[in-house]
Amino acid sequence: QTALTQPPSASGSPGQSVAISCTGTSSDVGGYNYVSWYQQHPGKAPKLMIYEVNKRPSGVPDRFSGSKSGNTASLTVSGLQAEDEADYYCSSHAGTTNVVFGGGTKLTVL
Amino acid sequence: QVQLVESGGGLVKPGGSLRLSCAASGFTFSDLYMTWIRQAPGKGLEWVSKISGSGDTIYYADSVKGRFTISRDNAKNSLYLQMNSLRVEDTAVYYCARDPYHYASDPWGRGTLVTVSS
Repeated sequence: QTALTQPPSASGSPGQSVAISCTGTSSDVGGYNYVSWYQQHPGKAPKLMIYEVNKRPSGVPDRFSGSKSGNTASLTVSGLQAEDEADYYCSSHAGTTNVVFGGGTKLTVL
Repeated sequence: QVQLVESGGGLVKPGGSLRLSCAASGFTFSDLYMTWIRQAPGKGLEWVSKISGSGDTIYYADSVKGRFTISRDNAKNSLYLQMNSLRVEDTAVYYCARDPYHYASDPWGRGTLVTVSS
């Protein structure tokens, strides 16, 4: 199964907004509304931030939002804060492959 | 609160076997799919396997199919991953997670490190 494509890095200053893309195909991102986003701080387990494209689990700040257009999903972090600096991974249902992840994006808060 | 604690990792030679366990608490274990996901050192996440609440529906990644077996014991609130014919490329931190939503895992355990090396 081929990983979803994410930019290796992204950055923004405190208070700014930054968007991270996640590109797949019609067999995964484009074919299902089951895109998720995870945040991982160094040495920690990943944490679910967005599920089903644009839904936030309880406790996740509304500064985090998700969207999808065609085969590309996006995670937008608004009002950047220092604690948002982390690795971010997207994932998608991929039919018989079940779940495929992106390669990850390192978000730096300048 | 929901807690997932993995155990069973360690150092094993190529071709060897290892059984991982995940102890769950704080939710009705039998209600939910459970998933194993791994992360090689310094690398990204890779979905490994998942099992339905009853245990009768199971899925595997192609990379582990035929070598790994996922199972669960709902009476013990425990999830397992039997790993056979281990390869160097199976070296990773293995996380267990519950799936409260379709194809989304939350939360994850802290992980257990599996190192396959001669």
